[in-house]
Amino acid sequence: GAVVSQHPSWVICKSGTSVKIECRSLDFQATTMFWYRQFPKQSLMLMATSNEGSKATYEQGVEKDKFLINHASLTLSTLTVTSAHPEDSSFYICSAGWTSANNEQFFGPGTRLTVL
Amino acid sequence: LAKTTQPISMDSYEGQEVNITCSHNNIATNDYITWYQQFPSQGPRFIIQGYKTKVTNEVASLFIPADRKSSTLSLPRVSLSDTAVYYCLVGDNRKLIWGLGTSLAVNP
Repeated sequence: GAVVSQHPSWVICKSGTSVKIECRSLDFQATTMFWYRQFPKQSLMLMATSNEGSKATYEQGVEKDKFLINHASLTLSTLTVTSAHPEDSSFYICSAGWTSANNEQFFGPGTRLTVL
Repeated sequence: LAKTTQPISMDSYEGQEVNITCSHNNIATNDYITWYQQFPSQGPRFIIQGYKTKVTNEVASLFIPADRKSSTLSLPRVSLSDTAVYYCLVGDNRKLIWGLGTSLAVNP
């Protein structure tokens, strides 16, 4: 299957700082990338959907000014958590896919963010 | 988007066949049924996808009855490494809505 990487795999930061997480599709060009957040013992929650070259579509309740998403190319999307606070500590997962309805999404390994 | 219902947890033993059933009464005509596996602190991994009848690949089988209101993921001869959370998703793969999944524990 297609490979999606994330960097960093884990990050610890101080409250008030910003953190950038990269998501790359290594062996295919993804027209669409998705960002999820998962708290312990809970399911994945879709945060936003981004298409290359256009603005991301955020899910209800997700602050677009706090979670900045850039999808500059068909192989790279970034999520920046601005002014991070302890409640932003979570497992962030990206996935990549195509615009066809029956194509699977390929998930990255996730990034563990801990805000002190 | 169709809601899914699946058991919260299941227990099994090595070498057994495990069947996890998912209910999706409100599935729409265009919806696909997709199953993912997730290990702790890892991203989900695609297992299998189907639309109707039966689909089989190298790791699992997916059984879908004619009314498509449920589906069953079948894992043959599970091993300890199959201990994970299994998610059933129904809908358009362009927007996946995740439930709590089924936590499968495989015991020696």
